[in-house]
Amino acid sequence: NAGVTQTPKFRILKIGQSMTLQCAQDMNHNYMYWYRQDPGMGLKLIYYSVGAGITDKGEVPNGYNVSRSTTEDFPLRLELAAPSQTSVYFCASRTTASRYEQYFGPGTRLTVT
Amino acid sequence: AQKVTQAQTEISVVEKEDVTLDCVYETRDTTYYLFWYKQPPSGELVFLIRRNSFDEQNEISGRYSWNFQKSTSSFNFTITASQVVDSAVYFCALSEVNTGNQFYFGTGTSLTVIP
Repeated sequence: NAGVTQTPKFRILKIGQSMTLQCAQDMNHNYMYWYRQDPGMGLKLIYYSVGAGITDKGEVPNGYNVSRSTTEDFPLRLELAAPSQTSVYFCASRTTASRYEQYFGPGTRLTVT
Repeated sequence: AQKVTQAQTEISVVEKEDVTLDCVYETRDTTYYLFWYKQPPSGELVFLIRRNSFDEQNEISGRYSWNFQKSTSSFNFTITASQVVDSAVYFCALSEVNTGNQFYFGTGTSLTVIP
């Protein structure tokens, strides 16, 4: 049982490049989330999904896209990377019931230069 | 409006001192859940505790204790006899049943324990 896994751990992008951050969980969780954490700041929700085929915007969705074709995977796509997207990205998942905590992946540190 | 407020941005204490991290939340739901997470310097987020809105009993786990008061919408976290390993950023979070799709995180409190 690996929990929530994220790849890559680190990435440096040039302005205008695109990439996909991978997230997978093996706990059969319906809910999955993408957050970004800027230096010295808290977590801001980018997108979330309540199940395969269903996604919705969070607080800071601009510049990102997501898809959820399976329960296990929830990739985050960055199109036309900008320096403002330099951040640490966390993926999380949880079961359906609100009372349960989110399980977080180890994070992906992205630098856009 | 910020649903979870952690007014203390940074706190420094000397080892063995007690320290309390404040968390104030805002919700109209009668059923909700509150959480604390720890983020050590290594960067991962570690779940510490979950409380539901119907259980105001304080909880103690070793050197950690939590004080949940609905009257003041607060869910404070106290570390007794702090240790250097407690140095981390601590996040408070809220999950509402009626909008159960999202978690709302505070901005975190950075705790430094000085040896």
